[in-house]
Amino acid sequence: GAGVSQSPRYKVAKRGQDVALRCDPISGHVSLFWYQQALGQGPEFLTYFQNEAQLDKSGLPSDRFFAERPEGSVSTLKIQRTQQEDSAVYLCASSPAGRNLNTEAFFGQGTRLTVV
Amino acid sequence: AQSVTQLDSQVPVFEEAPVELRCNYSSSVSVYLFWYVQYPNQGLQLLLKYLSGSTLVKGINGFEAEFNKSQTSFHLRKPSVHISDTAEYFCAVSDRGLTGGGNKLTFGTGTQLKVEL
Repeated sequence: GAGVSQSPRYKVAKRGQDVALRCDPISGHVSLFWYQQALGQGPEFLTYFQNEAQLDKSGLPSDRFFAERPEGSVSTLKIQRTQQEDSAVYLCASSPAGRNLNTEAFFGQGTRLTVV
Repeated sequence: AQSVTQLDSQVPVFEEAPVELRCNYSSSVSVYLFWYVQYPNQGLQLLLKYLSGSTLVKGINGFEAEFNKSQTSFHLRKPSVHISDTAEYFCAVSDRGLTGGGNKLTFGTGTQLKVEL
């Protein structure tokens, strides 16, 4: 597709339920990022992939959060045993280069997760 | 580590008036600077970026920003706003020195620009 696609757009989960959020980056993009945006806040970095390698997962808030990108394209962010504080918009972004060069990160529309 | 401060959470302005959205950053290393806009229920869209060179950067939709290294600021300006500029605006920084970590962004908390008739 033309842009970064995320699914589902909206997800309501009961507390304790596991969820999986999908990101389809722009074709050929090497870098993929996940961000968490709580209500009224700016996005906060969760994790970064260069192709299939997860090079930075320093932003993952707990071991309940897990991300993968097994073939270097589609990525899934999984949250186990969801808690109310996990309610947020989860944004995915991709960019063409692996290094910090003159490149732009393109963002998807996000998945709004509500834990009840 | 880096941090970004957007002092104004909301900025109301009348249509065709000028606007400035303030952004200050703190970093122990050199950074790249960005402004993103977020319309309701949409993803972030890049307005402009400062990588190097001229400190005055022009972006889309008539916006511009000026990098001031001594004041560690990157304020966003538009000389005449339109109703359609109503949105959330985020300032962000990225570490210049990353060699394999990609363009990880640190965002401010955002400024809601509300343009009124």
